[in-house]
Amino acid sequence: SQQGEEDPQALSIQEGENATMNCSYKTSINNLQWYRQNSGRGLVHLILIRSNEREKHSGRLRVTLDTSKKSSSLLITASRAADTASYFCATADTGRRALTFGSGTRLQVQP
Amino acid sequence: AAGVIQSPRHLIKEKRETATLKCYPIPRHDTVYWYQQGPGQDPQFLISFYEKMQSDKGSIPDRFSAQQFSDYHSELNMSSLELGDSALYFCASSLVLDLETQYFGPGTRLLVL
Repeated sequence: SQQGEEDPQALSIQEGENATMNCSYKTSINNLQWYRQNSGRGLVHLILIRSNEREKHSGRLRVTLDTSKKSSSLLITASRAADTASYFCATADTGRRALTFGSGTRLQVQP
Repeated sequence: AAGVIQSPRHLIKEKRETATLKCYPIPRHDTVYWYQQGPGQDPQFLISFYEKMQSDKGSIPDRFSAQQFSDYHSELNMSSLELGDSALYFCASSLVLDLETQYFGPGTRLLVL
Protein backbone atom coordinates (compact mmCIF):
# COMPACT_ATOMS: atom_id res chain seq x y z
CA SER A 1 0.00 0.00 0.00
CA GLN A 2 1.23 3.48 -0.71
CA GLN A 3 2.72 5.28 2.25
CA GLY A 4 3.86 8.65 1.10
CA GLU A 5 1.76 11.08 -0.80
CA GLU A 6 3.52 13.89 -2.56
CA ASP A 7 2.37 17.22 -3.77
CA PRO A 8 2.37 18.77 -6.14
CA GLN A 9 2.21 15.93 -8.64
CA ALA A 10 3.78 18.18 -11.24
CA LEU A 11 5.68 21.43 -10.97
CA SER A 12 6.96 23.70 -13.72
CA ILE A 13 9.31 26.56 -12.91
CA GLN A 14 11.87 28.77 -14.57
CA GLU A 15 15.59 28.26 -14.18
CA GLY A 16 16.89 30.08 -11.11
CA GLU A 17 13.66 29.72 -9.17
CA ASN A 18 13.26 27.55 -6.12
CA ALA A 19 11.23 24.35 -6.19
CA THR A 20 9.46 22.96 -3.16
CA MET A 21 7.99 19.47 -2.99
CA ASN A 22 6.06 18.02 -0.09
CA CYS A 23 5.58 14.51 1.13
CA SER A 24 3.31 12.99 3.76
CA TYR A 25 3.45 9.56 5.30
CA LYS A 26 1.35 7.49 7.65
CA THR A 27 3.42 5.27 9.91
CA SER A 28 6.32 5.57 12.35
CA ILE A 29 9.57 5.81 10.48
CA ASN A 30 13.29 5.37 11.00
CA ASN A 31 14.15 7.85 8.32
CA LEU A 32 12.89 9.59 5.23
CA GLN A 33 14.84 9.75 2.01
CA TRP A 34 14.51 11.67 -1.22
CA TYR A 35 15.35 10.15 -4.58
CA ARG A 36 15.54 11.57 -8.03
CA GLN A 37 14.63 9.73 -11.21
CA ASN A 38 15.25 10.91 -14.73
CA SER A 39 12.65 9.68 -17.15
CA GLY A 40 12.59 5.87 -17.15
CA ARG A 41 15.96 5.61 -15.48
CA GLY A 42 17.37 4.55 -12.13
CA LEU A 43 16.75 6.13 -8.77
CA VAL A 44 19.49 8.37 -7.44
CA HIS A 45 19.71 8.88 -3.70
CA LEU A 46 19.70 12.58 -2.84
CA ILE A 47 19.45 12.96 0.90
CA LEU A 48 18.38 11.13 4.04
CA ILE A 49 16.93 12.66 7.16
CA ARG A 50 16.53 10.64 10.33
CA SER A 51 13.43 10.71 12.46
CA ASN A 52 15.23 12.68 15.19
CA GLU A 53 16.37 15.37 12.76
CA ARG A 54 14.33 18.38 11.73
CA GLU A 55 16.34 19.86 8.89
CA LYS A 56 19.21 18.83 6.67
CA HIS A 57 21.15 20.50 3.88
CA SER A 58 23.15 19.13 1.00
CA GLY A 59 24.34 21.59 -1.61
CA ARG A 60 21.27 23.21 -3.15
CA LEU A 61 18.98 20.78 -1.35
CA ARG A 62 17.20 21.46 1.91
CA VAL A 63 15.02 18.85 3.54
CA THR A 64 12.75 19.31 6.52
CA LEU A 65 10.96 16.69 8.55
CA ASP A 66 8.02 17.18 10.87
CA THR A 67 7.29 13.88 12.58
CA SER A 68 4.31 15.33 14.46
CA LYS A 69 2.64 16.10 11.12
CA LYS A 70 4.22 13.12 9.39
CA SER A 71 5.43 15.32 6.58
CA SER A 72 8.60 16.36 4.83
CA SER A 73 9.58 18.93 2.26
CA LEU A 74 12.37 19.08 -0.28
CA LEU A 75 13.56 22.49 -1.42
CA ILE A 76 15.79 22.83 -4.45
CA THR A 77 17.26 26.31 -4.62
CA ALA A 78 18.43 28.11 -7.75
CA SER A 79 17.05 25.38 -9.99
CA ARG A 80 18.70 24.38 -13.24
CA ALA A 81 17.32 22.78 -16.36
CA ALA A 82 19.30 19.67 -15.40
CA ASP A 83 17.14 19.36 -12.27
CA THR A 84 14.24 18.31 -14.48
CA ALA A 85 13.24 14.88 -13.18
CA SER A 86 10.78 13.10 -10.93
CA TYR A 87 11.42 13.34 -7.22
CA PHE A 88 10.25 10.68 -4.78
CA CYS A 89 10.21 10.58 -1.05
CA ALA A 90 10.69 7.17 0.53
CA THR A 91 10.29 6.05 4.10
CA ALA A 92 11.65 3.14 6.04
CA ASP A 93 9.20 2.05 8.69
CA THR A 94 10.47 1.50 12.19
CA GLY A 95 12.04 -1.94 12.33
CA ARG A 96 12.11 -2.38 8.58
CA ARG A 97 14.61 -1.59 5.86
CA ALA A 98 12.38 -1.80 2.83
CA LEU A 99 11.44 1.56 1.39
CA THR A 100 7.92 2.74 0.75
CA PHE A 101 7.84 5.35 -1.96
CA GLY A 102 5.51 8.27 -2.42
CA SER A 103 3.83 8.99 -5.72
CA GLY A 104 6.46 11.43 -6.86
CA THR A 105 6.59 15.00 -8.12
CA ARG A 106 7.48 15.65 -11.74
CA LEU A 107 9.63 18.76 -11.85
CA GLN A 108 10.14 20.62 -15.11
CA VAL A 109 12.68 23.43 -15.06
CA GLN A 110 12.39 25.69 -18.08
CA PRO A 111 15.68 27.16 -19.32
CA ALA B 1 32.93 3.81 -7.73
CA ALA B 2 31.27 0.53 -8.52
CA GLY B 3 27.50 0.60 -8.74
CA VAL B 4 24.71 -1.94 -8.70
CA ILE B 5 24.60 -3.88 -11.95
CA GLN B 6 21.43 -5.29 -13.40
CA SER B 7 21.00 -7.53 -16.38
CA PRO B 8 19.49 -7.55 -18.81
CA ARG B 9 18.64 -3.89 -19.18
CA HIS B 10 15.74 -4.60 -21.48
CA LEU B 11 13.65 -7.72 -21.89
CA ILE B 12 10.67 -8.56 -24.06
CA LYS B 13 8.59 -11.63 -23.28
CA GLU B 14 5.29 -13.13 -24.32
CA LYS B 15 2.42 -13.79 -21.93
CA ARG B 16 2.85 -16.97 -19.90
CA GLU B 17 6.60 -17.06 -20.49
CA THR B 18 9.22 -16.89 -17.76
CA ALA B 19 11.90 -14.30 -17.11
CA THR B 20 14.96 -14.13 -14.91
CA LEU B 21 16.43 -10.82 -13.84
CA LYS B 22 19.86 -10.58 -12.30
CA CYS B 23 21.33 -8.14 -9.82
CA TYR B 24 24.94 -7.71 -8.80
CA PRO B 25 25.22 -5.55 -5.68
CA ILE B 26 27.96 -3.11 -4.89
CA PRO B 27 31.02 -5.04 -3.66
CA ARG B 28 30.82 -5.84 0.06
CA HIS B 29 27.13 -4.99 0.21
CA ASP B 30 25.27 -7.84 1.84
CA THR B 31 21.64 -6.82 1.45
CA VAL B 32 19.69 -6.78 -1.79
CA TYR B 33 16.23 -5.37 -2.43
CA TRP B 34 13.93 -5.73 -5.42
CA TYR B 35 11.40 -3.08 -6.43
CA GLN B 36 8.86 -2.92 -9.23
CA GLN B 37 7.82 0.34 -10.89
CA GLY B 38 4.85 0.22 -13.23
CA PRO B 39 4.36 2.88 -15.91
CA GLY B 40 3.75 6.24 -14.26
CA GLN B 41 3.75 4.69 -10.81
CA ASP B 42 5.97 4.81 -7.77
CA PRO B 43 8.36 1.95 -7.02
CA GLN B 44 6.87 -0.87 -4.95
CA PHE B 45 8.98 -3.09 -2.72
CA LEU B 46 8.93 -6.76 -3.66
CA ILE B 47 11.44 -8.64 -1.55
CA SER B 48 14.83 -8.37 0.13
CA PHE B 49 17.67 -10.65 1.16
CA TYR B 50 20.37 -10.39 3.78
CA GLU B 51 23.23 -12.86 3.84
CA LYS B 52 21.38 -15.11 1.38
CA MET B 53 18.27 -15.32 3.53
CA GLN B 54 14.99 -13.60 2.79
CA SER B 55 14.80 -10.66 5.15
CA ASP B 56 11.56 -8.96 4.18
CA LYS B 57 8.69 -9.46 1.81
CA GLY B 58 6.46 -6.93 0.14
CA SER B 59 3.94 -7.14 -2.64
CA ILE B 60 5.63 -9.90 -4.57
CA PRO B 61 3.22 -12.12 -6.52
CA ASP B 62 3.30 -15.85 -5.87
CA ARG B 63 4.39 -16.29 -9.49
CA PHE B 64 7.66 -14.56 -8.64
CA SER B 65 10.51 -15.96 -6.60
CA ALA B 66 13.94 -14.68 -5.78
CA GLN B 67 17.12 -15.76 -4.13
CA GLN B 68 20.53 -14.46 -3.18
CA PHE B 69 23.58 -16.54 -3.95
CA SER B 70 26.86 -17.10 -2.14
CA ASP B 71 28.53 -14.32 -4.13
CA TYR B 72 25.66 -12.01 -3.01
CA HIS B 73 24.19 -11.57 -6.44
CA SER B 74 20.46 -12.03 -6.62
CA GLU B 75 18.02 -13.30 -9.20
CA LEU B 76 14.32 -12.55 -9.57
CA ASN B 77 12.46 -15.33 -11.33
CA MET B 78 9.12 -14.50 -12.86
CA SER B 79 6.82 -17.16 -14.25
CA SER B 80 3.49 -17.15 -16.08
CA LEU B 81 4.10 -13.57 -17.10
CA GLU B 82 1.10 -11.29 -17.45
CA LEU B 83 0.69 -8.04 -19.32
CA GLY B 84 0.56 -6.24 -15.98
CA ASP B 85 4.07 -7.39 -15.15
CA SER B 86 5.42 -4.91 -17.69
CA ALA B 87 7.45 -2.55 -15.55
CA LEU B 88 10.85 -1.34 -14.52
CA TYR B 89 12.44 -3.70 -12.02
CA PHE B 90 15.02 -2.17 -9.76
CA CYS B 91 17.53 -3.83 -7.58
CA ALA B 92 19.12 -1.96 -4.71
CA SER B 93 21.88 -2.92 -2.32
CA SER B 94 23.04 -1.77 1.07
CA LEU B 95 25.61 -2.60 3.68
CA VAL B 96 24.47 -3.85 7.05
CA LEU B 97 26.62 -1.21 8.74
CA ASP B 98 24.80 1.45 6.71
CA LEU B 99 21.34 -0.01 6.46
CA GLU B 100 19.66 3.27 5.82
CA THR B 101 21.06 4.06 2.39
CA GLN B 102 20.04 1.91 -0.53
CA TYR B 103 21.88 2.24 -3.81
CA PHE B 104 19.78 1.52 -6.84
CA GLY B 105 20.75 -0.10 -10.09
CA PRO B 106 19.68 1.24 -13.48
CA GLY B 107 16.76 -1.17 -13.65
CA THR B 108 15.56 -3.82 -16.07
CA ARG B 109 12.71 -2.76 -18.31
CA LEU B 110 10.42 -5.74 -18.87
CA LEU B 111 7.80 -5.64 -21.57
CA VAL B 112 5.26 -8.44 -21.71
CA LEU B 113 3.39 -8.75 -24.99
